Amino acid sequence: SQKIEQNSEALNIQEGKTATLTCNYTNYSPAYLQWYRQDPGRGPVFLLLIRENEKEKRKERLKVTFDTTLKQSLFHITASQPADSATYLCALEDGGRRALTFGSGTRLQVQP
Amino acid sequence: DTEVTQTPKHLVMGMTNKKSLKCEQHMGHRAMYWYKQKAKKPPELMFVYSYEKLSINESVPSRFSPECPNSSLLNLHLHALQPEDSALYLCASSQELNQPNQPQHFGDGTRLSIL
Repeated sequence: SQKIEQNSEALNIQEGKTATLTCNYTNYSPAYLQWYRQDPGRGPVFLLLIRENEKEKRKERLKVTFDTTLKQSLFHITASQPADSATYLCALEDGGRRALTFGSGTRLQVQP
Repeated sequence: DTEVTQTPKHLVMGMTNKKSLKCEQHMGHRAMYWYKQKAKKPPELMFVYSYEKLSINESVPSRFSPECPNSSLLNLHLHALQPEDSALYLCASSQELNQPNQPQHFGDGTRLSIL
């Protein structure tokens, strides 16, 4: 069956450190992968999209990698700040339906 | 502020009530989505509309009835809901359904409680 797993339900780090979140998938062949941020009581907000032929994508302090052999994406936040505390969701296109399926999310807490 | 507006923000209703959730976007997007999200879980897809036609129904119970009156509006009509239907209902839109490299834009949801 298809699965999208974000290995850490919660991640606590100190301010200034790099946060690394993991997204692993099974029985998908995605052409692209997306990352979203969700704050409590709010809807998800799109952060980054990476295509299968891209190894790495950057946006300010954010970096995403995509390894289709390992079936894994890593999401990095460098120089993390307390304001980065949120739940981060990875999402894949669900085959021919062209609809997104979300991973379970990782709740990041950045301690001052 | 998000570009997708959902009303109401909160809704409490009894199991025999009829109510509607509304979603509006003015970005010219032609694909619109309803998701259900329980606490500490990811959003789960319910319905997808493409060019105002229902494209995907994820085997949602008939007590949820979607409607897309025009390209900017999406409604979700609720009737005879169960307590387990209490959740955050999220609306989203994207430019087109069949262009996979596009992000979805979400509203902040309606927090629904069924008594």
